[in-house]
Amino acid sequence: DQQVKQNSPSLSVQEGRISILNCDYTNSMFDYFLWYKKYPAEGPTFLISISSIKDKNEDGRFTVFLNKSAKHLSLHIVPSQPGDSAVYFCAASAFGNQFYFGTGTSLTVIP
Amino acid sequence: KAGVTQTPRYLIKTRGQQVTLSCSPISGHRSVSWYQQTPGQGLQFLFEYFSETQRNKGNFPGRFSGRQFSNSRSEMNVSTLELGDSALYLCASSLSLLPGLAGGTSWTDTQYFGPGTRLTVL
Repeated sequence: DQQVKQNSPSLSVQEGRISILNCDYTNSMFDYFLWYKKYPAEGPTFLISISSIKDKNEDGRFTVFLNKSAKHLSLHIVPSQPGDSAVYFCAASAFGNQFYFGTGTSLTVIP
Repeated sequence: KAGVTQTPRYLIKTRGQQVTLSCSPISGHRSVSWYQQTPGQGLQFLFEYFSETQRNKGNFPGRFSGRQFSNSRSEMNVSTLELGDSALYLCASSLSLLPGLAGGTSWTDTQYFGPGTRLTVL
């Protein structure tokens, strides 16, 4: 049972525009969420996190939004750069236990 | 601060053999988790070790096992390899200062990944 879902396998965005990556989850007990970026043949790199007590967290060009009622998480990248082209994974955990990962969204930023 | 390291980076084995993968966490991190990544499957959780004890386990057969040493280094073993075990095996470490149910998930549970070991089973 996939508790964390990324329904868009791929996304293409023009350089300078906003990239919005989405993630849905089913477990209302999740209390912490992470976003990772992954290049081929490398391990995922931590980008940004958000606790369930917040609805927004920003770090530079990256902002994560959490809508607990909709069980929806999104990552905004503004402005998008060609170097942002990678696979993005969202992950969620409940009470410090294992993290559940989505299947990833491949972002392509077109110069 | 050195990141998570995994050895070897690449491995080729044949069906029926066994393999041991190694992971050294970031200094001070107490939790080590293992994941399998195959095309289209995302990251599948194998197990997590904390203070030398398996704390969480995913839905993998008993051929997949692991252990953690007193210095937090961890090994993963796969016995009787099958073709379907070909994958990228990732290890992640976290501080985990508030383990388990008592504290909830905190920033100390953020997982940092190593580069992975690419296992090919022929």
